[in-house]
Amino acid sequence: DIQMTQSPSTLSASVGDRVTITCRASQSISSWLAWYQQKPGKAPKLLIYMASSLESGVPSRFSGSGSGTEFTLTINSLQPDDFATYYCQHYNSYPWTFGQGTKVEIK
Amino acid sequence: QVQLQESDPGLVKPSETLSLTCSVSGGSMTSYYWSWIRQPPGKGLEWIGYIYYSGSTNYNPSLKSRVTISVDTSNNQFSLKLSSVTAADTAVYYCARGRYQLDYWGQGTLVTVSS
Repeated sequence: DIQMTQSPSTLSASVGDRVTITCRASQSISSWLAWYQQKPGKAPKLLIYMASSLESGVPSRFSGSGSGTEFTLTINSLQPDDFATYYCQHYNSYPWTFGQGTKVEIK
Repeated sequence: QVQLQESDPGLVKPSETLSLTCSVSGGSMTSYYWSWIRQPPGKGLEWIGYIYYSGSTNYNPSLKSRVTISVDTSNNQFSLKLSSVTAADTAVYYCARGRYQLDYWGQGTLVTVSS
């Protein structure tokens, strides 16, 4: 199985900050990567697919980049609604696996 | 707007079979893949498997011997069965649309395995 490792596990930030979350794959996954946002008690919400494509309806302050084994999710000008846990997921080869999550907390 | 809703089996006894149904509304199941994902309390996400509307499936090898996913397009539903459950199967179970990225999700249902 391909292991997905996110860093950091927790991130403290303020409203208006630029935030970057990293996801590393244990082997190359090309651009077969998605990012999700999850709030407590809620289902994950798709933000980014194919590493850098913004899902319809997602604010443009969210962006994704990377290919191969290293990927980043960037949130420009963090908003109060963005405090949540973020997960990456690969879909390069079965089984699909997720990162362990990055919790973005209020500083 | 596509909406998904999981059934609520609540408590399942060890060694029994967990059965869940996902009802799809607001859109057709045709030409889409439909997935199950689970999340143990306080932990991360695990992909269980998916089914195409035509019935072809793919399962996580770690669960493959115990999992069956089926589809009933006439009733806009798809289902998950997980046999021989243990406490390790306690989790919130989500249904979702998609084969790769998952763009619509149900709200999730907590299934507890306990005697």
